[in-house]
Amino acid sequence: DAGVIQSPRHEVTEMGQEVTLRCKPISGHDYLFWYRQTMMRGLELLIYFNNNVPIDDSGMPEDRFSAKMPNASFSTLKIQPSEPRDSAVYFCASRGTGVQETQYFGPGTRLLVL
Amino acid sequence: AQSVSQHNHHVILSEAASLELGCNYSYGGTVNLFWYVQYPGQHLQLLLKYFSGDPLVKGIKGFEAEFIKSKFSFNLRKPSVQWSDTAEYFCALGPLVFGKGTRLSVIA
Repeated sequence: DAGVIQSPRHEVTEMGQEVTLRCKPISGHDYLFWYRQTMMRGLELLIYFNNNVPIDDSGMPEDRFSAKMPNASFSTLKIQPSEPRDSAVYFCASRGTGVQETQYFGPGTRLLVL
Repeated sequence: AQSVSQHNHHVILSEAASLELGCNYSYGGTVNLFWYVQYPGQHLQLLLKYFSGDPLVKGIKGFEAEFIKSKFSFNLRKPSVQWSDTAEYFCALGPLVFGKGTRLSVIA
């Protein structure tokens, strides 16, 4: 398995533009998590899905952020409009059913909003 | 509310020194605890995990951690660090709550 796949790996955009981050979880995993990592706040959970259904989005910072999982093999995190303070590394992770399952992280998308 | 505290922000050690990174959690229920490592420019990888049973958990690359329920702690240890252990280390309570991380720098 190729692991969790994220695209793009790097994104540079201007303030006000729409940004879409993509994630392909490991096949067979039914949990998908989106995290944001910054120097100031560390690693924060934004939202997670179970069987394509959003379970907890309390970590989504503002209405400018939205996430979807249209099927078991694809998820998007969208920021519209983007702001400089959104600059961070965004990680996607997936996990199988069962609390003892290992969570696998993707390589991350490094976002810079100018 | 669940929380994880990692009190050491940056630790600098010489090669062959022993390592202990602190992790304290706040949660009253059954805990699932993890340590992850993030090498420079890379994604997080699982070092070890605790769910139940033996409170001393052994992980990859010679790391181990001890769950002490009475202290709400899950400290990470390694008897002798190597330069290649230079990385950031995260303690996590389940998949939802992470500590802010401890940066480890190992110098020759």
